[in-house]
Amino acid sequence: EAQVTQNPRYLITVTGKKLTVTCSQNMNHEYMSWYRQDPGLGLRQIYYSMNVEVTDKGDVPEGYKVSRKEKRNFPLILESPSPNQTSLYFCASRSGGHTEAFFGQGTRLTVV
Amino acid sequence: AQSVTQPDIHITVSEGASLELRCNYSYGATPYLFWYVQSPGQGLQLLLKYFSGDTLVQGIKGFEAEFKRSQSSFNLRKPSVHWSDAAEYFCAVGANPNFGNEKLTFGTGTRLTIIP
Repeated sequence: EAQVTQNPRYLITVTGKKLTVTCSQNMNHEYMSWYRQDPGLGLRQIYYSMNVEVTDKGDVPEGYKVSRKEKRNFPLILESPSPNQTSLYFCASRSGGHTEAFFGQGTRLTVV
Repeated sequence: AQSVTQPDIHITVSEGASLELRCNYSYGATPYLFWYVQSPGQGLQLLLKYFSGDTLVQGIKGFEAEFKRSQSSFNLRKPSVHWSDAAEYFCAVGANPNFGNEKLTFGTGTRLTIIP
């Protein structure tokens, strides 16, 4: 089954404790992105990647890092999480050309 | 810069009634438009998309949307809603996917409540 898999689905952590949210897709897609969803703001892009070793900032990259060492994986790293990063995070992937994005199930992160 | 406006934060309709969710976009070139649905605790599922061609597009679950360039709109419609349609709906505009960032710009969403 074609899918984007995020882990964990739920995470509660403390301020400053490094964490990684994993994202994996099995569709051999070139493009991958991370979004955060906040009430009243919709989804906003954090980082994106056009292929292995090619990443760039989206609209709200501060406090986040990403890497793309393999085509299928695109982890999101919070080196020093803060309460304002409490949010619902989505990973998405897409193939090239005129295609839609496929989204993971989301990761609800709470930073206390 | 591209942007999307969904003017209705929350809509309540009776089961069996018709539905129209509004979406207005701003984009300097030919837009690529999407409607996604998010059920509680779930990810986003694509309902339909418009890239080019026929301006009335059909999607899954009986939804359709009409692209109107003159009004910069891409409204979502369904002739008869079901209780299972209760969810949050997001309109999104995409940059030309052949030029780098495939970012989708989302509206703030419309929450749909269905009453019996």
